[in-house]
Amino acid sequence: ETGVTQSPTHLIKTRGQQVTLRCSSQSGHNTVSWYQQALGQGPQFIFQYYREEENGRGNFPPRFSGLQFPNYSSELNVNALELDDSALYLCASSSGRGGGETQYFGPGTRLLVL
Amino acid sequence: GQNIDQPTEMTATEGAIVQINCTYQTSGFNGLFWYQQHAGEAPTFLSYNVLDGLEEKGRFSSFLSRSKGYSYLLLKELQMKDSASYLCAVRSSLNDYKLSFGAGTTVTVRA
Repeated sequence: ETGVTQSPTHLIKTRGQQVTLRCSSQSGHNTVSWYQQALGQGPQFIFQYYREEENGRGNFPPRFSGLQFPNYSSELNVNALELDDSALYLCASSSGRGGGETQYFGPGTRLLVL
Repeated sequence: GQNIDQPTEMTATEGAIVQINCTYQTSGFNGLFWYQQHAGEAPTFLSYNVLDGLEEKGRFSSFLSRSKGYSYLLLKELQMKDSASYLCAVRSSLNDYKLSFGAGTTVTVRA
């Protein structure tokens, strides 16, 4: 148990719809990173939030956006869903900006786009 | 970017030892992580290496050679519950906010 929680656990959407995924970080952690993991692949970095600001972004289109709140919980929003967006979405929490700390993962949200 | 390579699958017998290799190419190396991931679950942190050498944690050990761009995870006294995917991840000082993962090695432990 890492203390990182995510909701919902599973979600089914259709192409073109929008989705919001939520993450609560471990107590004492102020940084949240989001990853997308396709079946049989390693997680791919989407972006990171530190103290409510985006601290880095991976190679994902602008329709992937996020927020971090004052309590350091975070949301990942995906607009105009495509079939290839079907994946496990993981959030990871850590403390401190950037690379100083280990990232601890939540259980993930499994998204299926039909 | 980073290139991270690890074998796709390995099979071993309960009680045996398995070594999972990971090779990487990155600019500004700033740490290597190993995570364990059971099917359908989140990755769980196993080990972290930033200096050359061996880190031991119970049945699991991880080794790093920065000059060779090489790491391995050693699993000793294998148990059935060790059947999982093992992910090698590298951090670069050029973009130290993210981890770059390999595709994972699926280890199957047989009785």
